[in-house]
Amino acid sequence: AQKITQTQPGMFVQEKEAVTLDCTYDTSDQSYGLFWYKQPSSGEMIFLIYQGSYDEQNATEGRYSLNFQKARKSANLVISASQLGDSAMYFCAMRENVGSYQKVTFGIGTKLQVIP
Amino acid sequence: EAQVTQNPRYLITVTGKKLTVTCSQNMNHEYMSWYRQDPGLGLRQIYYSMNVEVTDKGDVPEGYKVSRKEKRNFPLILESPSPNQTSLYFCASSFPGTRRFNEQFFGPGTRLTVL
Repeated sequence: AQKITQTQPGMFVQEKEAVTLDCTYDTSDQSYGLFWYKQPSSGEMIFLIYQGSYDEQNATEGRYSLNFQKARKSANLVISASQLGDSAMYFCAMRENVGSYQKVTFGIGTKLQVIP
Repeated sequence: EAQVTQNPRYLITVTGKKLTVTCSQNMNHEYMSWYRQDPGLGLRQIYYSMNVEVTDKGDVPEGYKVSRKEKRNFPLILESPSPNQTSLYFCASSFPGTRRFNEQFFGPGTRLTVL
């Protein structure tokens, strides 16, 4: 089974509108972390936001917020007031504890295009 | 400047010719990891290291080796590269024990082509 599922291969959003990128996860760990990365066409990986499994409040970082629904095992990224520079690939990822080690799994990504 | 560096950035090689991709970080991070990125598959973890001399397999370790003799360096070794190892490779590091542990700092990537 996929540990991280991103079901939207591509998304379009009008500039200045909000957009939600979906992510569901699968783990039996009680302690885990979820995060999102952005990869523009230039190729670098840019950290956006992190949510711990025990965090009671949804994480926010500027225009980014993470809609964490633990019972549904979803960790959707919400980008408010989209900008042209938000056009990029977006990856959801999860950190799990594997014994004393910590393993990271990424989803296959969602390509977001912001339309002027 | 805090950064993760990888060398080389681009490499074209032939099947079976051993190669090493270096990764170095200057942030005193304990956790380091290698990923490969392929179209439609996202990033897949190859190996990771929790600290010096402590390494473990990720999801796709076959055909790769790593070593962690010093905290700052985490080279990726392909003993006998094959065409299916043609990919974009990323090294990343982070500092476990902090809330921002998952803020992995990524290197610029190494694009490897095996003919």
